[in-house]
Amino acid sequence: EPEVTQTPSHQVTQMGQEVILRCVPISNHLYFYWYRQILGQKVEFLVSFYNNEISEKSEIFDDQFSVERPDGSNFTLKIRSTKLEDSAMYFCASNVRWGTLAKDGELFFGEGSRLTVL
Amino acid sequence: DAKTTQPTSMDCAEGRAANLPCNHSTISGNEYVYWYRQIHSQGPQYIIHGLKNNETNEMASLIITEDRKSSTLILPHATLRDTAVYYCIVNAGGTSYGKLTFGQGTILTVHP
Repeated sequence: EPEVTQTPSHQVTQMGQEVILRCVPISNHLYFYWYRQILGQKVEFLVSFYNNEISEKSEIFDDQFSVERPDGSNFTLKIRSTKLEDSAMYFCASNVRWGTLAKDGELFFGEGSRLTVL
Repeated sequence: DAKTTQPTSMDCAEGRAANLPCNHSTISGNEYVYWYRQIHSQGPQYIIHGLKNNETNEMASLIITEDRKSSTLILPHATLRDTAVYYCIVNAGGTSYGKLTFGQGTILTVHP
């Protein structure tokens, strides 16, 4: 079964450093997302991306964050200058299209990248 | 998106049906009910979604009340691998671009 893959599985970085988290969505999917989950807390929406531009973003997704689809397969989340509070599990997700028909409603999530900021 | 209310935790015996309730009394006419689960710290996994009719797939059944103010996710024969956090999410679909609002969910523990 096709799956969303994320790398790295765990990254440790120093505060102030730039981090890039990578995702390979399922190949025929058109909508891409990043979510995060701070340890012990809820899963939170960060951003959605379609047709090479951001469709929607949350208040968390400030100027320190950016997303990019540099080629036909990768989808990246960059944190420009990490803070301690950025420590979390980051989940990439994708789906064919966002809609209401049967399988369209299903977001496929990756296994996550754990970011630890020291 | 409408707010949802779920019990914090539930237990179920292996092989029995697990019935997970969700209250969404402020749901509006264009909002769908989605269920996802998260096993340990893995990525959330889609289970099922519906608008007003009951739905069934290979994983579960979704029963939505006629007034749409509440729903129940049914895992017909729970296994130990169904131990997870189950999230009931209300979302308007088309225009919200996959922005799912996760709550705290229900921690389902399936025991032997």
